[in-house]
Amino acid sequence: KQEVTQIPAALSVPEGENLVLNCSFTDSAIYNLQWFRQDPGKGLTSLLLIQSSQREQTSGRLNASLDKSSGRSTLYIAASQPGDSATYLCAVGSQAGTALIFGKGTTLSVSS
Amino acid sequence: GAVVSQHPSWVICKSGTSVKIECRSLDFQATTMFWYRQFPKQSLMLMATSNEGSKATYEQGVEKDKFLINHASLTLSTLTVTSAHPEDSSFYICSASFSGRAQEQYFGPGTRLTVT
Repeated sequence: KQEVTQIPAALSVPEGENLVLNCSFTDSAIYNLQWFRQDPGKGLTSLLLIQSSQREQTSGRLNASLDKSSGRSTLYIAASQPGDSATYLCAVGSQAGTALIFGKGTTLSVSS
Repeated sequence: GAVVSQHPSWVICKSGTSVKIECRSLDFQATTMFWYRQFPKQSLMLMATSNEGSKATYEQGVEKDKFLINHASLTLSTLTVTSAHPEDSSFYICSASFSGRAQEQYFGPGTRLTVT
């Protein structure tokens, strides 16, 4: 059974810092991996989607990498801003069109 | 991009009553919809998978008679929480995928259910 773990559970950084969020999964036979952002009491905002054949995806200040063989993904946030404060969720899809399995998330707080 | 809506965004109901939550795909036809539940400070847990025109597939531990799912059309799935109890209070989120882009799921904004 696939399990997704995110470390750290919480992270506090001053504005401007670059940071890395980690995600690991137990079964390397994945179809894709998504990173989401969730603000308190809100739904999910999709940040990046990485297909199993890809190594990384970039969007603005965000870069996500995928190492399927080692069961790891990282989300790199450059030049963090207070507006980046949220919970970041990593989710793995095992097949096309199947449900995602989520990690518990990393709650990020960026202070000004 | 594809948009998924949920209604209502929040609801308060009394213990013992039933609540219906709607999930709609606004600009695409969703072949599959998923229902997740999220308790405070926890991650999203899949409750059931719903395919249009067929019975939903429930995850282990989810009571199908308590959480009724109907996927009557390619743009609408409903989740009815029957005889709700305070422990059913949670954040319910749906997502949808379609055959053209089955690798990506599009999530609704969620419904906050509080049972008093």
